[in-house]
Amino acid sequence: DAKTTQPNSMESNEEEPVHLPCNHSTISGTDYIHWYRQLPSQGPEYVIHGLTSNVNNRMASLAIAEDRKSSTLILHRATLRDAAVYYCILRDGGGGTSYGKLTFGQGTILTVHP
Amino acid sequence: NAGVTQTPKFQVLKTGQSMTLQCAQDMNHEYMSWYRQDPGMGLRLIHYSVGAGITDQGEVPNGYNVSRSTTEDFPLRLLLAAPSQTSVYFCASSYRPMDSPLHFGNGTRLTVT
Repeated sequence: DAKTTQPNSMESNEEEPVHLPCNHSTISGTDYIHWYRQLPSQGPEYVIHGLTSNVNNRMASLAIAEDRKSSTLILHRATLRDAAVYYCILRDGGGGTSYGKLTFGQGTILTVHP
Repeated sequence: NAGVTQTPKFQVLKTGQSMTLQCAQDMNHEYMSWYRQDPGMGLRLIHYSVGAGITDQGEVPNGYNVSRSTTEDFPLRLLLAAPSQTSVYFCASSYRPMDSPLHFGNGTRLTVT
């Protein structure tokens, strides 16, 4: 399976933008890039996903490098409620033996300071 | 819609006992999966299914069985519980297996003594 690499932790101040990086140098052409976050004592929550183009939604933006070997999740104005573990995951859409398989890594612990 | 419903929320088992963790979704999702999360760790995939009648193993399948006889339900069976299976278990589903967002249940906290 294609793997992702994220920093173990990052810190931000409230109301400032946050850029969470993810490297996925072995990504295949059919892999979708997904981001989830997990608040303490809760199940993971979907944030955003994309294939090739940058994506925006009400929660965040996803910037995907032209060669697709890295991506960045952008929280435009961090709030205390954004403090969570953020997971960058590749989801195989190619129909091969790992079709649909979605494996989580360790994620990035985001701390937001008031 | 109820989304993804997991039962029970908490369970304590003795070593060697068996039990089934239930997972149901009412969103007509093709894809369903089970993860476990140990303290301070990320999620590890146990088993997954891309449709009724189809299941496959994830990273840590040993000690667990699954079946998918209907689109809605994806139960996880622990045959002979061991202390190493103490964990929080999450069920997740998505409309399609590749590009749709995953919806997670609220988890089952299992302790094996």
